[in-house]
Amino acid sequence: GAGVSQSPSNKVTEKGKDVELRCDPISGHTALYWYRQRLGQGLEFLIYFQGNSAPDKSGLPSDRFSAERTGESVSTLTIQRTQQEDSAVYLCASSLVSGRAYNEQFFGPGTRLTVL
Amino acid sequence: AQTVTQSQPEMSVQEAETVTLSCTYDTSESNYYLFWYKQPPSRQMILVIRQEAYKQQNATENRFSVNFQKAAKSFSLKISDSQLGDTAMYFCAFLQNSGNTPLVFGKGTRLSVIA
Repeated sequence: GAGVSQSPSNKVTEKGKDVELRCDPISGHTALYWYRQRLGQGLEFLIYFQGNSAPDKSGLPSDRFSAERTGESVSTLTIQRTQQEDSAVYLCASSLVSGRAYNEQFFGPGTRLTVL
Repeated sequence: AQTVTQSQPEMSVQEAETVTLSCTYDTSESNYYLFWYKQPPSRQMILVIRQEAYKQQNATENRFSVNFQKAAKSFSLKISDSQLGDTAMYFCAFLQNSGNTPLVFGKGTRLSVIA
């Protein structure tokens, strides 16, 4: 079946502009994660959605970052008034939610954001 | 909070040789999972191997195996018979054993396999 998809693949924007990044999870995956990967760094957790529960926003770096998810479908990550330090690859992952302690997270190919 | 440390930013290995990538972590949890992910230039994160902390036996997946030392909080990855396609960034990651939670990643090791 189809994996996690993200769009756009690459985005170049000017400092101060708003951007929206999209993630389509695997069908049936109720858990969805956003991570940020700065150049030469590991992935940093941003936000987590699980079903209709309140999202875990503990990783969002500032109030310029927000994300939405409608039910168990698409999620959008919005960055307002972009800054050069926001340049990074933004990765989305989804997983099942089950009674098992471990549910594998499947990653999308990411969106590379460049802020000029 | 959990932390994951990879002390080798870059490594190289000759084709067909064996290489070991290091990872240490810090946690107060007793039950958790550890992972190695591969990220080629395509950016796609690929799960290489998984280890459950409650299992004493080290996980193996074909040419990939781990050396899990729970007391030392060490989790190294051994790649045997290295292939050119193994060239990638490798990330060590930690997951709490409490349902769906975010992964905690190290900063990665860039591995180059040389012909």
